[in-house]
Amino acid sequence: EADIYQTPRYLVIGTGKKITLECSQTMGHDKMYWYQQDPGMELHLIHYSYGVNSTEKGDLSSESTVSRIRTEHFPLTLESARPSHTSQYLCASSERGTGGYEQYFGPGTRLTVT
Amino acid sequence: TQLLEQSPQFLSIQEGENLTVYCNSSSVFSSLQWYRQEPGEGPVLLVTVVTGGEVKKLKRLTFQFGDARKDSSLHITAAQPGDTGLYLCAGARGTSYGKLTFGQGTILTVHP
Repeated sequence: EADIYQTPRYLVIGTGKKITLECSQTMGHDKMYWYQQDPGMELHLIHYSYGVNSTEKGDLSSESTVSRIRTEHFPLTLESARPSHTSQYLCASSERGTGGYEQYFGPGTRLTVT
Repeated sequence: TQLLEQSPQFLSIQEGENLTVYCNSSSVFSSLQWYRQEPGEGPVLLVTVVTGGEVKKLKRLTFQFGDARKDSSLHITAAQPGDTGLYLCAGARGTSYGKLTFGQGTILTVHP
């Protein structure tokens, strides 16, 4: 059972507000990821981190930013939310197992910007 | 450009039927994973295949990795309503250091 947590699970917020989506894992994984997903659709990687103080932008351009000050914590911040940011945001972490890098996902944060 | 093409995109079947979902690419992957996602939740890893031609079974689910490690399939025997969900394949390349390329997913609905 993977131990990766995301808060809040649901967030409805007005345009222009600053928001931070929290993601924490207790497995000691070095690699962490943020994905954006519309309902029933594929996952788009927006940020990833290979370890503390390491962050990179993913394949999908995003106005959000991330930080990795502690191994277990990988928060995502939107300075000024817009309706186009409405989506589900999934956090994941991974380790290298016998089958390669296997990712463990949190339950997601469903963000609605009005 | 979609590196991993999944088909079909939607699948609606009756309980007890068999089905196969395909995941195809022109690229070679060092490993390929299948995830299942239920509404409102994150994806859950089902299986990882790493060797060309490899076949893995998980109860009624059979996963196969193509000989050339460019494609994979998921076969479900005697589908049940509990199998309903979004099935995602994801490939890892040798130089990706943990990053995965996801297919667009297959939404499976199994009717009682």
